[in-house]
Order: sequence, then C-alpha cells, then structure tokens
Amino acid sequence: KNEVEQSPQNLTAQEGEFITINCSYSVGISALHWLQQHPGGGIVSLFMLSSGKKKHGRLIATINIQEKHSSLHITASHPRDSAVYICAVRSYYGGSQGNLIFGKGTKLSVKP
Amino acid sequence: ETGVTQSPTHLIKTRGQQVTLRCSSQSGHNTVSWYQQALGQGPQFIFQYYREEENGRGNFPPRFSGLQFPNYSSELNVNALELDDSALYLCASSATGTLNSGANVLTFGAGSRLTVL
Repeated sequence: KNEVEQSPQNLTAQEGEFITINCSYSVGISALHWLQQHPGGGIVSLFMLSSGKKKHGRLIATINIQEKHSSLHITASHPRDSAVYICAVRSYYGGSQGNLIFGKGTKLSVKP
Repeated sequence: ETGVTQSPTHLIKTRGQQVTLRCSSQSGHNTVSWYQQALGQGPQFIFQYYREEENGRGNFPPRFSGLQFPNYSSELNVNALELDDSALYLCASSATGTLNSGANVLTFGAGSRLTVL
C-alpha cells in the first residue's frame, strides 16, 4: 500500500462543476502540499498546509490531521484547470522531518 | 524574481552513459531537491542539498549523485545509465534549509526529460 493515496485517479467534469480530489496518507507528517502539473511537466505549488484550511481564488484545501486526510476543492471549474493534481506529504520521524512522499496524482479534465 | 530553471529540457542517452542535469534555484532559495518522475507516476525523492551538502536522500543507488554550488545552483549526475532511468527529472528549490523546518514552500522547475535507449 502506498503511503500517499489519491482518489480519484481520473476525473472528468463539465465547466462550472464543483470538484473534490482526496488524499489519504499513512505516515506522520509535518506538512502536506497540493501541486498542479500541466502537460509537459512543470509543477506549480498550490498549497502547503499543516492544519485547517486554506483558500486561494477558486481553490480550497483542507486537512484533517487526526484522520490523515486532505481534500482539494475547485469551485466553478474551468477548462484551464485541466491538469494533474498531486498530493505530497513531508514525513515526520522522531522529531525531524523527512523527505516529500508523493501520491500518483489525479488527472482532471474539465470540458467546456 | 526568477524561477527555477533546468537544463537541458530534453536529452537522449544510451545505456551505460553518464548524464549531468542542471538546476538554477529561485532567487533567495538556498535548498535544492531533486525528484524522478516516471511516466504516469508521482515524483520520487532522490536527494536534497543545503549549503552545498546532501542532507536527505531517497531510495536511489549511489550512481545518482549531486552537487550544490555556492550560488545554490545544483547538478544531478547519473552514472551507468539504465533503461529504467528514463524519466522526467524535476528540481525544486525552497527558502529554508534544514529538514527540521516547516516552511518548505517549493518552487519547481519545468524538468529535464531523459530518455535512455
């Protein structure tokens, strides 16, 4: 079992729909990142969070540390949101931080 | 403020050859980490450099090595290339150095796509 699991793997939505991507992890973490990767490879960091909720424009990220779960929401989705969304956690062992562990990503396609 | 730049963007090598990939970190960032992303997979952590020293390493063999320079730019070297080394290699820089810090907001480069034939 992977230490970071994302669902769904693939998601197709119509423009304007509300989208939720989920991330569950099994290790202790100090922070969780949501990343966006467009075709061609470039990755953009959307959020880094360790508790609660963050909002930026139409994007909202939440994390529940007790349940080891995070969600990324996109409101009023648009075709330009089409990308792969990756969840990554920074592991935490014995008082110090480890490296980033990545999920496999969720491929989102928003149709006009 | 410049972002993270990687070079080359694409390259083709044959088995057994050696490759060097380069990364210029974002202005003000002193830490660089490298990742390997196989097709259809999430990135895998290779190693991280802070103040010119490796301070974290993932599950990669010693033929993957790196350097960080005084200007915080970095190189990833891979010796004795294997077919499975074909991947997108991503570099990311951040402003905080040690692993014992929570503010590691990352800026990624566009990646170097390596094909090994």
